[in-house]
Amino acid sequence: GESVGLHLPTLSVQEGDNSIINCAYSNSASDYFIWYKQESGKGPQFIIDIRSNMDKRQGQRVTVLLNKTVKHLSLQIAATQPGDSAVYFCAESPNQAGTALIFGKGTTLSVSS
Amino acid sequence: DAGVTQSPTHLIKTRGQQVTLRCSPKSGHDTVSWYQQALGQGPQFIFQYYEEEERQRGNFPDRFSGHQFPNYSSELNVNALLLGDSALYLCASSSTGVETQYFGPGTRLLVL
Repeated sequence: GESVGLHLPTLSVQEGDNSIINCAYSNSASDYFIWYKQESGKGPQFIIDIRSNMDKRQGQRVTVLLNKTVKHLSLQIAATQPGDSAVYFCAESPNQAGTALIFGKGTTLSVSS
Repeated sequence: DAGVTQSPTHLIKTRGQQVTLRCSPKSGHDTVSWYQQALGQGPQFIFQYYEEEERQRGNFPDRFSGHQFPNYSSELNVNALLLGDSALYLCASSSTGVETQYFGPGTRLLVL
């Protein structure tokens, strides 16, 4: 599978590969994190979330890993499909009242068949 | 179950004009947040409305204002439009005490 250690703006993978998208967040007090997928011309679509009291959470074909020590978040997509091609954003919630989300730099995932 | 809806989908205005964008939250949600997304960038928080009050505001000038109605729907108003206001405006809804925000399809605003 394709893996990156630092944030890269683009990631190109082959269909069937595993993809890993990385994100650095800014506020050590943030306690809630979300990954969104945004397809061209559409709004962000919720993928998976994780709270700061966890370091891993799994969904359908996706896994989010949280490393609070280095303020790093990653999204793993198993068996990547062409329909996974989109821009992926991580977002953090630094306010426990659940107000503003702060978005990271997006990563454009391109899947070729 | 209807998701978040926004209107209009596209809008073209000229500098100095005013614009109003509308949002209906997901069923069961009572909180509406607005974001601005410039081309190639992540969404930036403008403000959030809950119980018809502005609860939090991001780093946007007073030209940006909003309103929430008793049925939880919301409007975003932008006065004295600048070229730099051209962007995708996103509305997100959530429930009180739940941080997960669900986004609508956005309104694409072009200021000429």
